[in-house]
Amino acid sequence: GEDVEQSLFLSVREGDSSVINCTYTDSSSTYLYWYKQEPGAGLQLLTYIFSNMDMKQDQRLTVLLNKKDKHLSLRIADTQTGDSAIYFCAESIAAASKLTFGTGTRLQVTL
Amino acid sequence: GAVVSQHPSRVICKSGTSVKIECRSLDFQATTMFWYRQFPKQSLMLMATSNEGSKATYEQGVEKDKFLINHASLTLSTLTVTSAHPEDSSFYICSARDGLAGEQETQYFGPGTRLLVL
Repeated sequence: GEDVEQSLFLSVREGDSSVINCTYTDSSSTYLYWYKQEPGAGLQLLTYIFSNMDMKQDQRLTVLLNKKDKHLSLRIADTQTGDSAIYFCAESIAAASKLTFGTGTRLQVTL
Repeated sequence: GAVVSQHPSRVICKSGTSVKIECRSLDFQATTMFWYRQFPKQSLMLMATSNEGSKATYEQGVEKDKFLINHASLTLSTLTVTSAHPEDSSFYICSARDGLAGEQETQYFGPGTRLLVL
């Protein structure tokens, strides 16, 4: 079955860049997503990328996809304290299909 | 963006009782809704996929008689946890897919419902 892995924790200083990594095993993954979850809240879609793309940039967010290695990363430029949250990557084989979530990475931003 | 609501946001119930959680798409028609469960400090696990007007499709290991799902309209799906037990305590999150948004649409998540069974 599908397996999506992330490192559990990342700590960065305010103003620095954060890079959150994700690896997946399903080669048929077509859509790859990044979600943000603040404490006690639901999920907020940050961005997504199609498997035929290598990179997508959206303001402070940059997504890199290495399809050969099945590796996805999210870079947050100029990280702010408001970025502190848990970040989940997720994959699906189609837009209408179920999502398989990674284990989540807790990002802590320090002053 | 599209808005999905859940009600209640949190509920405490006694063991053995049933609890109903509602998931509504507020400004779009959701042909498909998904129900996820998230245990503390863990990831989201899909429980079932709910299509309007048809029976839900449950993931392996999820008891369909315990977690009753009804998707009676294009804007509402309900999850009923029957005869709840303390091990059912969790964060339940729904998501909804906009049926008219085309190929590039994604799922919009509700804010979640925290269930505590005493």
